[in-house]
Amino acid sequence: QVQLQESGPGLVKPSETLSLTCTVSGGSIGNYYWNWIRQPPGKGLEWLGYVYYSGSTNYNPSLKRRVTISVDSSKNQFSLILTSVTATDSAVYFCARRDYYDSNFDVWGRGTTVTVFS
Amino acid sequence: SFVLTQPPSVSAAPGKTATISCGGNNFEDHSVHWYQQKPGQAPVLVIYNDNDRPSGIPERFSASTSGNTATLIISRVEAGDEADYYCQVWDFSNDHYVFGPGTQVTVL
Repeated sequence: QVQLQESGPGLVKPSETLSLTCTVSGGSIGNYYWNWIRQPPGKGLEWLGYVYYSGSTNYNPSLKRRVTISVDSSKNQFSLILTSVTATDSAVYFCARRDYYDSNFDVWGRGTTVTVFS
Repeated sequence: SFVLTQPPSVSAAPGKTATISCGGNNFEDHSVHWYQQKPGQAPVLVIYNDNDRPSGIPERFSASTSGNTATLIISRVEAGDEADYYCQVWDFSNDHYVFGPGTQVTVL
């Protein structure tokens, strides 16, 4: 079955850029929406944005213009870039798949912890 | 934008029923999905499209929606059901995804 795996640095300095990649295995990246969702320590889930396999995107407005999500179909990967990070960006970052027809997230990665730390 | 509310905690004795509510603005036009998250793990989809269960999810998990309230029902609660539960909808007005704040379920 389809599996997702997040990868990237676990520590990022304030004001720098957070960059994560999600690798999709066991299936195609086509015809799905690929999402990033985060969870600060002890808090709830926050949707960050998605990239459709065609490359179109949509983002949570709370992140203003700091977030970019892109897809590389040739590598079966999609990526998250979050600029100008602060301590409030420290969280577990999950990648997740949304089916074309249903608006839920049916496959999740295990999550990767990112700490903004000087 | 769409806002979801949930009680912070719910408890139930083993074998009893746990009921978790999710408040929103008119669920008639929105499909509600529910996730279970155990400590240190990723969320798992337990109910989608108001009351459908993914394969592998026990029949003890069911849900309903009416007006401004969606409800997740866990029947015959087991110790393994202890987790945080989140409701989620797609706000089609702006193509954004919204999660409720989560409810911690404790099995007494």
